[in-house]
Amino acid sequence: TQLLEQSPQFLSIQEGENLTVYCNSSSVFSSLQWYRQEPGEGPVLLVTVVTGGEVKKLKRLTFQFGDARKDSSLHITAAQTGDTGLYLCALVTITGTASKLTFGTGTRLQVTL
Amino acid sequence: EAGVVQSPRYKIIEKKQPVAFWCNPISGHNTLYWYRQNLGQGPELLIRYENEEAVDDSQLPKDRFSAERLKGVDSTLKIQPAELGDSAVYLCASSSDGKAFFGQGTRLTVV
Repeated sequence: TQLLEQSPQFLSIQEGENLTVYCNSSSVFSSLQWYRQEPGEGPVLLVTVVTGGEVKKLKRLTFQFGDARKDSSLHITAAQTGDTGLYLCALVTITGTASKLTFGTGTRLQVTL
Repeated sequence: EAGVVQSPRYKIIEKKQPVAFWCNPISGHNTLYWYRQNLGQGPELLIRYENEEAVDDSQLPKDRFSAERLKGVDSTLKIQPAELGDSAVYLCASSSDGKAFFGQGTRLTVV
């Protein structure tokens, strides 16, 4: 059972447009990660957010962690065709030195010329 | 540094046949995960190892799936017998300090 809901499920936009995808849970996150997965590859970690209200930037990508730590968003400015992929959020549960990742349902982004 | 290595990349088998997947994690990573990913969906955890111990296998269908991680390094995931619904990508990942690194996955097609 997926604990994390992502929206939208699918997004198709043209190059140069801006977009925001969301990750929501009914539970409080200890920390959350965002991954991007390209076709035929495994997910690649983009960022980890830990503190409520935290904002992190990675070039044209802006990640925000909700104040209550129950939601997160990823905003992409001036999307490029290379941004195409499946964007996944993951709940990180850490016990001692061990960590568990639970993934969301994913948002599939398609950026066209 | 080599990443997580999985083999094979692709496997096509007939239903009721056995199949095995292999994973070599990043050196020094104690945590190893096996996930199953259906098309267009997020990965779902099958089993998680801390060294050689399976600490979370609640989502592993134990009637047909088995896994092992001998000596806390390489791991294998086996399905016997395979069913049509097992068609998916099987991903292996290893982690250190909460950062997970994934292999390219094995795409299984059961016909």
